[in-house]
Amino acid sequence: GQNIDQPTEMTATEGAIVQINCTYQTSGFNGLFWYQQHAGEAPTFLSYNVLDGLEEKGRFSSFLSRSKGYSYLLLKELQMKDSASYLCAVRDVLTGGGNKLTFGTGTQLKVEL
Amino acid sequence: DAGVIQSPRHEVTEMGQEVTLRCKPISGHNSLFWYRQTMMRGLELLIYFNNNVPIDDSGMPEDRFSAKMPNASFSTLKIQPSEPRDSAVYFCASTGDRGNQPQHFGDGTRLSIL
Repeated sequence: GQNIDQPTEMTATEGAIVQINCTYQTSGFNGLFWYQQHAGEAPTFLSYNVLDGLEEKGRFSSFLSRSKGYSYLLLKELQMKDSASYLCAVRDVLTGGGNKLTFGTGTQLKVEL
Repeated sequence: DAGVIQSPRHEVTEMGQEVTLRCKPISGHNSLFWYRQTMMRGLELLIYFNNNVPIDDSGMPEDRFSAKMPNASFSTLKIQPSEPRDSAVYFCASTGDRGNQPQHFGDGTRLSIL
């Protein structure tokens, strides 16, 4: 089975940097995704890691360590619009085809002035 | 390009009624997923299809829930009979075969069972 842990809530200041951690346990790891979800909206894709290391995409970066079962999402130069829930999701490869994502419960980020 | 299209966006109905949610995946995507999201349980996978075939339905809560994918461009999730505890937001998502392809979500159906 899967076990994904991330903090429930975080608060940060506009213009600052925040790191959202995610730890996971899985048997058939085939990638880790981060999604952003604003209240009342659908999750939207932010980043993908399958190899160890840092992936940078503008103000957002994501890091993966497969040996430690650990990832983080780094948000720089925080803006008020970054207030949202951030979901960590791990993909397993399953027999029978396709790829299944298991989502963490999300980290609710509040950006304050 | 059109994204994943779900209908209806909102549904309010009385317990005991049949509810049918619809999803049109992104053209060319061969995997389709149905999720349920609640405050208490977060985003849960109900069932997913690969090439129109159900691969894993272990997340379907009980026999009242059923899902079909008659062709590559359409899927339904049906609840019969509905109960108040089924109230949630139901998302449909689709993706293709390439390893780094994310799942793309529809806007969801906000379901309220009275």
